[in-house]
Amino acid sequence: EAQVTQNPRYLITVTGKKLTVTCSQNMNHEYMSWYRQDPGLGLRQIYYSMNVEVTDKGDVPEGYKVSRKEKRNFPLILESPSPNQTSLYFCASSLFSTGGDNEQFFGPGTRLTVL
Amino acid sequence: AQSVTQLGSHVSVSEGALVLLRCNYSSSVPPYLFWYVQYPNQGLQLLLKYTSAATLVKGINGFEAEFKKSETSFHLTKPSAHMSDAAEYFCAVVTGANNLFFGTGTRLTVIP
Repeated sequence: EAQVTQNPRYLITVTGKKLTVTCSQNMNHEYMSWYRQDPGLGLRQIYYSMNVEVTDKGDVPEGYKVSRKEKRNFPLILESPSPNQTSLYFCASSLFSTGGDNEQFFGPGTRLTVL
Repeated sequence: AQSVTQLGSHVSVSEGALVLLRCNYSSSVPPYLFWYVQYPNQGLQLLLKYTSAATLVKGINGFEAEFKKSETSFHLTKPSAHMSDAAEYFCAVVTGANNLFFGTGTRLTVIP
């Protein structure tokens, strides 16, 4: 089944404790992206990647890191989480096109709480 | 820069009534526009997209949207609401190669 998977689905942690949220897709998509969803703010892009070893900042990159060493995986790293990073996180992937008209496929989400 | 605005963070309709969710865009170039739906505790899934082929776009589950350049709008409609349509709906515009800017979302409640 074609899908985007994220782990963990739920995570409660404490301020400053490094964590990684994994994202994997099995559709051979070049493009992958991370978003955070907050009430009243919709989805905001954190980082994206257009292919292996190519990553770039989205609209809200502060406090996050990513890497794209393999095409299928795009982990999100919080080196020193803070309470304002409490949010619902989504990973998405798509085929790449310069026009950007390809559907993005979303993972099920990771609900992160930072105490 | 391209952006979208969704009017109404919450919309309630009776079962069987018309659904109208509003989205206005701002773009200096012909936009590519999307509607995504998020059911409770799930990720987003594509409802429909506009890529300049036809101004009236039909999507899944009976939804459709009409691109109106004169009004800079891309409103989502469904003639008859069903209980299963209760969800949050997001309008989005392409801002660059593959990147999307999402609106703030509209939560649809369907009253039996």
